[in-house]
Amino acid sequence: GGIITQTPKFLIGQEGQKLTLKCQQNFNHDTMYWYRQDSGKGLRLIYYSITENDLQKGDLSEGYDASREKKSSFSLTVTSAQKNEMAVFLCASSIWTGNSQNTLYFGAGTRLSVL
Amino acid sequence: AQKVTQTQTSISVVEKTTVTMDCVYETRDSSYFLFWYKQTASGEIVFLIRQDSYKKENATVGHYSLNFQKPKSSIGLIITATQIEDSAVYFCAMREMSNYNVLYFGSGTKLTVEP
Repeated sequence: GGIITQTPKFLIGQEGQKLTLKCQQNFNHDTMYWYRQDSGKGLRLIYYSITENDLQKGDLSEGYDASREKKSSFSLTVTSAQKNEMAVFLCASSIWTGNSQNTLYFGAGTRLSVL
Repeated sequence: AQKVTQTQTSISVVEKTTVTMDCVYETRDSSYFLFWYKQTASGEIVFLIRQDSYKKENATVGHYSLNFQKPKSSIGLIITATQIEDSAVYFCAMREMSNYNVLYFGSGTKLTVEP
């Protein structure tokens, strides 16, 4: 088995601040994802990456940057935190084999609060 | 437009009964894959069950089964003999063959199982 580790678990930022969230996986999966979950809502895709140094924008990419320098890690940067923003950012991974049946494995999430 | 829609925000049932959660999806692809995920109170998200669009037989895993109605673009999740620990938020999701790296999620249905 493997695990996805997200750091930090809790992140408190100031308005306008640049904030970075990190994700590590030891599944050796090709594809990694960042999703945002707002309270009581579904998951919205921010960025994904199908291999090292690849980046693909999701529906919610505006206001975010991402980086995939190694196969095992995928980081997300909030370029300018918005006041009173509260959300959970979820990292996930899956094997890229061209087979759409592969499921996602999720990390525990990073809870962001902006003062 | 939403690709995956879950209209039931919350459902409450008595344990040991059967519950059905609804999900409708929208796609132009002839081949696609449908998933259900469970998010527990701790925030952990786990994969439950999958249905491939080309399969006529409904998927079943343990006490989870699916009601796949392709002409209605509907994929319901059925949980039989519910247990207290089934209380969670359930997400429906879809992958399309035309963009198989992306998983679209619904907004979730919160299930409460009471004694």
